[in-house]
Amino acid sequence: AQRVTQPEKLLSVFKGAPVELKCNYSYSGSPELFWYVQYSRQRLQLLLRHISRESIKGFTADLNKGETSFHLKKPFAQEEDSAMYYCALSPVSGNTGKLIFGQGTTLQVKP
Amino acid sequence: NAGVTQTPKFQVLKTGQSMTLQCAQDMNHNSMYWYRQDPGMGLRLIYYSASEGTTDKGEVPNGYNVSRLNKREFSLRLESAAPSQTSVYFCASSYTPTGELFFGEGSRLTVL
Repeated sequence: AQRVTQPEKLLSVFKGAPVELKCNYSYSGSPELFWYVQYSRQRLQLLLRHISRESIKGFTADLNKGETSFHLKKPFAQEEDSAMYYCALSPVSGNTGKLIFGQGTTLQVKP
Repeated sequence: NAGVTQTPKFQVLKTGQSMTLQCAQDMNHNSMYWYRQDPGMGLRLIYYSASEGTTDKGEVPNGYNVSRLNKREFSLRLESAAPSQTSVYFCASSYTPTGELFFGEGSRLTVL
């Protein structure tokens, strides 16, 4: 079955600490993976996608096919990073709107 | 430029009542989607429309119908609401099926 798992409901860190939001997936083909973010009182928006291999707002994510993971990392957390983060997988090549989302992880960055 | 607009933002229904959630986008996007978000379950795709004139089922279509009224508008209808349909509903759109998804603000529906 196609599934995305984010094992942590809540991740709380201090400002300046490293952050790693975990995402594991179950998919038999070649996945396309994404991280979406929802800041307080804002809409859900794309943070990054693995095929672009970009660093957005200091965040990076590497697709590890061997471990079927797509963890989101940032070396030094900022208070403005506090938000809900969703990992998502596109099971149909060529249609990235049909996403399977994980349960979401709330990142809380304390001052 | 409002992006993706959903109405209503909040709605309370009684079991068995019907209602339609409206979604409109002003970005000239071709593809539109309806998701529902339940606590602890992330977002799940209900229906999508890859382009004007086409619609298709997602992961959880039962109890819902959709209409792609034109390129801008994609509505979601609950014919006979059930408490299990209490959820937050998100509409999204993208220019192409491989493009970035843009989301609306969400519509919180409670079925008593």
